Amino acid sequence: KAGVTQTPRYLIKTRGQQVTLSCSPISGHRSVSWYQQTPGQGLQFLFEYFSETQRNKGNFPGRFSGRQFSNSRSEMNVSTLELGDSALYLCASSLVVGPRSTEAFFGQGTRLTVV
Amino acid sequence: KQEVTQIPAALSVPEGENLVLNCSFTDSAIYNLQWFRQDPGKGLTSLLLIQSSQREQTSGRLNASLDKSSGRSTLYIAASQPGDSATYLCAADKMGQNFVFGPGTRLSVLP
Repeated sequence: KAGVTQTPRYLIKTRGQQVTLSCSPISGHRSVSWYQQTPGQGLQFLFEYFSETQRNKGNFPGRFSGRQFSNSRSEMNVSTLELGDSALYLCASSLVVGPRSTEAFFGQGTRLTVV
Repeated sequence: KQEVTQIPAALSVPEGENLVLNCSFTDSAIYNLQWFRQDPGKGLTSLLLIQSSQREQTSGRLNASLDKSSGRSTLYIAASQPGDSATYLCAADKMGQNFVFGPGTRLSVLP
């Protein structure tokens, strides 16, 4: 059974550019969540999508956006990149039964460096 | 607002020792408490999930307990090995909401 796949694994971008990261969840999982991990702030929640709808959103500026497709694959986009956006971006997928999420499985992450 | 803390921040033990990692959360109305392992520069690997109706879960040398009333969870690692060296994170969520992560415990098991 394939795990959560994130692409690309590494990215280097220049300040002011935009970037799109992709996440393919485990087959059958319809919930996809995104997290940002930095040495100073730890793991912080960005947003969660379920059945193509954003269900929850963290406290990040509007430059951070996401979407989910009908096959549950998700993308997140960061526009007008800042140096502080350099981080490991992690995606998690989980099975949802009614309102309840079950065990979350994470991908290997995308390491974004903004120069 | 849920806050999750972990003690200790770092731990160094000789191989073979049994050890306990602690996780505390401020809002006891959680649904899931999940423990993860993270190797440097890698993603998170799920270790154990404890749902709110459960008190503990076991997998191999790992045992995690949950006490919602006191806002605590512990991860017990038996007979530690050098391969257990990693950062251990706990995360708590409420029904329909996202995970809140603790800062992690960095474990080093010395051969």
